[in-house]
Amino acid sequence: DAGITQSPRHKVTETGTPVTLRCHQTENHRYMYWYRQDPGHGLRLIHYSYGVKDTDKGEVSDGYSVSRSKTEDFLLTLESATSSQTSVYFCAISPTLYEQYFGPGTRLTVT
Amino acid sequence: SQQGEEDPQALSIQEGENATMNCSYKTSINNLQWYRQNSGRGLVHLILIRSNEREKHSGRLRVTLDTSKKSSSLLITASRAADTASYFCATVGRSGGSNYKLTFGKGTLLTVNP
Repeated sequence: DAGITQSPRHKVTETGTPVTLRCHQTENHRYMYWYRQDPGHGLRLIHYSYGVKDTDKGEVSDGYSVSRSKTEDFLLTLESATSSQTSVYFCAISPTLYEQYFGPGTRLTVT
Repeated sequence: SQQGEEDPQALSIQEGENATMNCSYKTSINNLQWYRQNSGRGLVHLILIRSNEREKHSGRLRVTLDTSKKSSSLLITASRAADTASYFCATVGRSGGSNYKLTFGKGTLLTVNP
């Protein structure tokens, strides 16, 4: 997990509230990713970024938005949290389009 | 949709035995990677094998790739209790345009009993 942190590590929120998760890296890597991990589904890509202000959607992007105003920070926002967004969220970074390095994860519970 | 599919879903062995996990995929790839995830932690990159390679070694890990069968295997030799974890294969291929995408399978849960 060296060089990549996620905050908060745990969060409980109510349905309908906005939530922002932060990923911070000290590696100066170009690529950053947000995944969610759910039992029976493995890891699914939500959004990714290939540079400052350059982002694109993954396979499960509905209900999520992202922003990257600095190389080191990649924010994931749930505009109006729903129970189906209860999950463990992982941020990953990569210097290339190949191997990725993962953060410790954020466990989000939407009640 | 998931690209890689690991097999078996769960594997339980005794310490010292070898563990073999398989991954199958559906479309052409640039490379295939294996990751490990310990309970409650993030994924850790283990090894990458390119589409023009057939076998790769790293310590006690041996990965093979058969692009004609669209399959890969991960062999862990002389397993240890500390190898207990979930193992994921991930394929890298084009997702449209010039972008490559890493797609994960659902993982194999390996339990190594002391």
